[in-house]
Amino acid sequence: GIQVEQSPPDLILQEGANSTLRCNFSDSVNNLQWFHQNPWGQLINLFYIPSGTKQNGRLSATTVATERYSLLYISSSQTTDSGVYFCAVEPQTGANNLFFGTGTRLTVIP
Amino acid sequence: DAGITQSPRHKVTETGTPVTLRCHQTENHRYMYWYRQDPGHGLRLIHYSYGVKDTDKGEVSDGYSVSRSKTEDFLLTLESATSSQTSVYFCAISESLRAGVTDTQYFGPGTRLTVL
Repeated sequence: GIQVEQSPPDLILQEGANSTLRCNFSDSVNNLQWFHQNPWGQLINLFYIPSGTKQNGRLSATTVATERYSLLYISSSQTTDSGVYFCAVEPQTGANNLFFGTGTRLTVIP
Repeated sequence: DAGITQSPRHKVTETGTPVTLRCHQTENHRYMYWYRQDPGHGLRLIHYSYGVKDTDKGEVSDGYSVSRSKTEDFLLTLESATSSQTSVYFCAISESLRAGVTDTQYFGPGTRLTVL
């Protein structure tokens, strides 16, 4: 099946710092989604981004489908950004479901 | 927030007993999914449904069965629970964007299952 790799696995930031999270995938995809899992376990969809760039407040994401990677940018990080960020892809071949990476654990310290 | 509830939210059971987890949605979305989340593995798909009575297996389906008799409900059953099925289980929903492509997935709050 498709492989989804996220880097870095862990990231510690001072509040106010910027960061870039990366997601590489091994095959062509129909869509790519970014999720944030907060410390209470809730999974929130951040972006649906099969290609191009989207922005939502301090967060933005870029997917370069032809090169099989996506980037999630977090600017001016806040303690509430802490948690685990997952990238998930829906392969072009096969069933209509997502394959998840193992996530990037972000800790923002005040 | 998408209207997705899961029940129970926590359950402790013994090896060999049957367990059923319920996912209920109020969004009328076509697709429903069951995932399990374990340390070091991210989320892995167990089964999914693409309509009433239409289901298919995911990557970790052994030991699990599902049923969908109504659009709003998707049940996950562990026929005979084992300790390896101790996990956090998430339900998710999505709509169909176009043929062969699904839209944004929304997740329920999760069920923490412990099998002793």
